[in-house]
Order: sequence, then C-alpha cells, then structure tokens
Amino acid sequence: AQTVTQSQPEMSVQEAETVTLSCTYDTSESDYYLFWYKQPPSRQMILVIRQEAYKQQNATENRFSVNFQKAAKSFSLKISDSQLGDAAMYFCASKPPSYSGAGSYQLTFGKGTKLSVIP
Amino acid sequence: DGGITQSPKYLFRKEGQNVTLSCEQNLNHDAMYWYRQDPGQGLRLIYYSQIVNDFQKGDIAEGYSVSREKKESFPLTVTSAQKNPTAFYLCASGLAGYEQYFGPGTRLTVT
Repeated sequence: AQTVTQSQPEMSVQEAETVTLSCTYDTSESDYYLFWYKQPPSRQMILVIRQEAYKQQNATENRFSVNFQKAAKSFSLKISDSQLGDAAMYFCASKPPSYSGAGSYQLTFGKGTKLSVIP
Repeated sequence: DGGITQSPKYLFRKEGQNVTLSCEQNLNHDAMYWYRQDPGQGLRLIYYSQIVNDFQKGDIAEGYSVSREKKESFPLTVTSAQKNPTAFYLCASGLAGYEQYFGPGTRLTVT
C-alpha cells in the first residue's frame, strides 16, 4: 500500500515570488508515478504535473517544477512567479506502476496544502 | 469539446432515499473512478471500472453502488445504507493505468 503525507496544511506566498510545497510518500514499489493536482475554489481537480519514478530528471511545466528525491521519498512542488490564480488546494498523489495488477489503477492522495497568494 | 461532465452540481435529498449521481466522459478513456472528498481530507476512492461491465470496490465502497453499461458512463448510487452521505463527489477517467482527469464534482447534501 502507498501512503502520501503533506505536512503543510496551509501556506502563503507573495505575488511574483516562489513557493515550495512539500510531499513525502511511502511505497514498497521501485517504480511508480507521482502527481500534483490543483483544486481551485471551483473544486475541479486539475492535473498540474506528473513524474515517473524511473526518470531521474525533474518534471517541469511552465512555472511549475518538482524536486524529486527518490531515496528520500520526497516530491516537492515549486511554483515560480506566483500568480493570484495559483491560489488553491494542492494535492500530492502517488500511483503504483501499470503492471502491478488491479491496484495499479488507484491514486493515493495526501490531505492537501491550501496555498494563498498575497497581492 | 472533450471532457468529463457530472450532474447535477448540487443535490439535496432526504435521509433514507437513494440518489444517483451522473458521470459522463467523451475522452474515450477505458477507466473511470468515483471519489469522495470531505472537508480537510484528501480524496478517497469509492469504486473504479477498468472496462465496460466490470468494476471493483475502492477503499470506502460500503453504502454505494455503480454500473458500467457504456464506456462513456459510470453512474454512482448513494444508497440509504451509507451512514454519512453528505460530501463532495468527484468522478474521474483515464487511460488504464495512467493519470486521471476529473469532472467538476457534485455536492450532495442529505438531511
């Protein structure tokens, strides 16, 4: 079974500054997927970024990047040049590899970090 | 345009009544999922389906039922056996084994 922990219930950042959200996970698998989802006030979950554990290179999507430390089982999200529209709940999630059978379909979510952006 | 739709956005029911939440996708995804979200919690998996006419229980399936008669549709019924049904319900779909994409959600209130 996989577990995901987000230790920061709330964070704030000044507009245009950079913020890092923390996530740690636990899994017995050597291969897996990690995701960050954003949930704005509309409550629709939006995929921000994904990382395959077998890839050493950190994933990047525009202003969003991750710091993936496999040995430490850490997967933090960095948001650069923060904008007002970045204010949301952010959820970290993990998923087993596709070949691991029925359980490979299940995403395990952390409890989320609420990010506020200060104008 | 492609996407996942859930209806209705808000739903109110009296205790003891069954209620069905709709989820439709036109993304040609094989897999579909139902999650429940409570305040201060992450998402918890209720049911998922990998292919038509097949589905599996997630972590909190008690008091819920689903069907998957068409690839595009995966309705969720909240039965009267569900002890605490008031919650936000999210439907998702995806290519089997990869990331999931979510609908806008349904807020169910049972009084």
